[in-house]
Amino acid sequence: AQKITQTQPGMFVQEKEAVTLDCTYDTSDPSYGLFWYKQPSSGEMIFLIYQGSYDQQNATEGRYSLNFQKARKSANLVISASQLGDSAMYFCAMREGSQGGSEKLVFGKGTKLTVNP
Amino acid sequence: NAGVTQTPKFQVLKTGQSMTLQCAQDMNHEYMSWYRQDPGMGLRLIHYSVGAGITDQGEVPNGYNVSRSTTEDFPLRLLSAAPSQTSVYFCASRRGKMGETQYFGPGTRLLVL
Repeated sequence: AQKITQTQPGMFVQEKEAVTLDCTYDTSDPSYGLFWYKQPSSGEMIFLIYQGSYDQQNATEGRYSLNFQKARKSANLVISASQLGDSAMYFCAMREGSQGGSEKLVFGKGTKLTVNP
Repeated sequence: NAGVTQTPKFQVLKTGQSMTLQCAQDMNHEYMSWYRQDPGMGLRLIHYSVGAGITDQGEVPNGYNVSRSTTEDFPLRLLSAAPSQTSVYFCASRRGKMGETQYFGPGTRLLVL
């Protein structure tokens, strides 16, 4: 069963505007972590932000913030003040593991973001 | 630190050939893993290791072998390449704590004819 769902295959945003990329997840494990990665056209995977299931506050990293709604099982990425360099594929991923050591990072299919000048 | 390195960057194989994708990290990370990325899909876990001498299967392990004799190296072996193994392969490593992200290598693009 698919555990990470990204429903937006593609998104467009004007430069300097904010954009939200959607991610919903499914797990029965009370301990899990949610990650967002950026993959530019060059192909590398770049870590953006992390949210733990027990974290009380939404994670923020510079222009990136994670809108974590635990009851709705959603972990949307918000990019503020979009830049042309933000154009890329964005992947949401989840790692389960009450032991803290699970290595099974499950990815969504990604959202292609295009920032228009 | 070089981080996670992968060789080769690109490889063409014929069906039935075998090869080894190399992966090394210099961050003394306990955990290492191999993923494949196919068009229109996210990354899928092939095999992983939680330390030297310990490996386990991921989501799509068939047709691949791994071993972890040292902390630094985690090679992925294709035993008998098939066109279905045409993909981009990423190696990743991380420390063992729950919130630690994977650090990904630059990827190996494999084409099986």
